[in-house]
Amino acid sequence: DVKVTQSSRYLVKRTGEKVFLECVQDMDHENMFWYRQDPGLGLRLIYFSYDVKMKEKGDIPEGYSVSREKKERFSLILESASTNQTSMYLCASSSDPQTVYEQYFGPGTRLTVT
Amino acid sequence: GENVEQHPSTLSVQEGDSAVIKCTYSDSASNYFPWYKQELGKGPQLIIDIRSNVGEKKDQRIAVTLNKTAKHFSLHITETQPEDSAVYFCAAKPPGYSTLTFGKGTMLLVSP
Repeated sequence: DVKVTQSSRYLVKRTGEKVFLECVQDMDHENMFWYRQDPGLGLRLIYFSYDVKMKEKGDIPEGYSVSREKKERFSLILESASTNQTSMYLCASSSDPQTVYEQYFGPGTRLTVT
Repeated sequence: GENVEQHPSTLSVQEGDSAVIKCTYSDSASNYFPWYKQELGKGPQLIIDIRSNVGEKKDQRIAVTLNKTAKHFSLHITETQPEDSAVYFCAAKPPGYSTLTFGKGTMLLVSP
């Protein structure tokens, strides 16, 4: 089974802190994604990566950056956390986009910024 | 870019009833339409998908229909059970894109 793991289920940080959210997948997938999930707003794409060291902005990249140094690991970075970044963060991965489109999601990290 | 609208936002049914969730999309070139189910405390999981060359697809109690002319697609769940209670997301993908555009989700509550 494909497994996508996220480093923390719950995280509490203070305003202004630098926050790292880590995601690891074990299926050698090319694509990895970071979403944020808020009530009434659904899943919104923050950033995605289609290869090591490659990244593309999604719909809401402001206030976030990402890093992909190894194929299996995709990190989301909040350079200076703010209260409006309190949310559920979901990581996903998928295989060759030309043939297989299914995205596999991790369990999510619920981040609270106080 | 693609825009996906999903209705209703919440749906309550009695066990054994049918449930229908509807989505519309804006980009007529979109050719892949998945449905994801998110149970409490878990990430979304693909339950069924359909490609634009097919009008309907079934998998046991769930089915998806696609109307390309009207640019809408629907999820049908028959004989609902309490374990069907979850948030359901539809999505659309234009050709050549790696990303999915998701609807805002529908919370389905199935009462025993």
